[in-house]
Amino acid sequence: GAVVSQHPSRVICKSGTSVKIECRSLDFQATTMFWYRQFPKQSLMLMATSNEGSKATYEQGVEKDKFLINHASLTLSTLTVTSAHPEDSSFYICSAHPPQGVDTEAFFGQGTRLTVV
Amino acid sequence: DAKTTQPTSMDCAEGRAANLPCNHSTISGNEYVYWYRQIHSQGPQYIIHGLKNNETNEMASLIITEDRKSSTLILPHATLRDTAVYYCIVRAPRNNDMRFGAGTRLTVKP
Repeated sequence: GAVVSQHPSRVICKSGTSVKIECRSLDFQATTMFWYRQFPKQSLMLMATSNEGSKATYEQGVEKDKFLINHASLTLSTLTVTSAHPEDSSFYICSAHPPQGVDTEAFFGQGTRLTVV
Repeated sequence: DAKTTQPTSMDCAEGRAANLPCNHSTISGNEYVYWYRQIHSQGPQYIIHGLKNNETNEMASLIITEDRKSSTLILPHATLRDTAVYYCIVRAPRNNDMRFGAGTRLTVKP
């Protein structure tokens, strides 16, 4: 199946610094990618939709100035957590769909575990 | 997209079939049923999806009731590695985002 890759898989940063997470579709082009956040023992929550060549759309309650999304090419979206705080510590996951068909499944990255100390 | 309801947790004996139910009583005619699973600290893994016919692949079978208000994911011979959280998601075509409910935590026991 199609492959979506995230990097890094794990990152520890100091409070107040910024962290960038990359999401790549390795064998297909994706005009849209999705970013999720998952806290311990909870489900995945959609944060935002990353649109190639245009602004991301954010879910209600997600601060767009804190979670900067850039979708500069058809195979790469980045999520930057700015001025990170311990409460931003979470598991961040991206996904993308291959473009063909109306019912194609989403493929997910392996996730990035962010710990802010 | 329609909302789904799943049991919080289930146990299954290794080697036996695991049957995971999902209710989606408000599903629309053009919405598909997708199943994913998430093993601890990994991204979700696609299992199977369907519209109205039963589906089978190398991982599982999906049984959708005739009225499409519920479905069952069947893992025919569960192994310890099938222990995971299983998510049932209903999604309309062209709606790219997947929205996750709480899922069912399946524990396969020796």
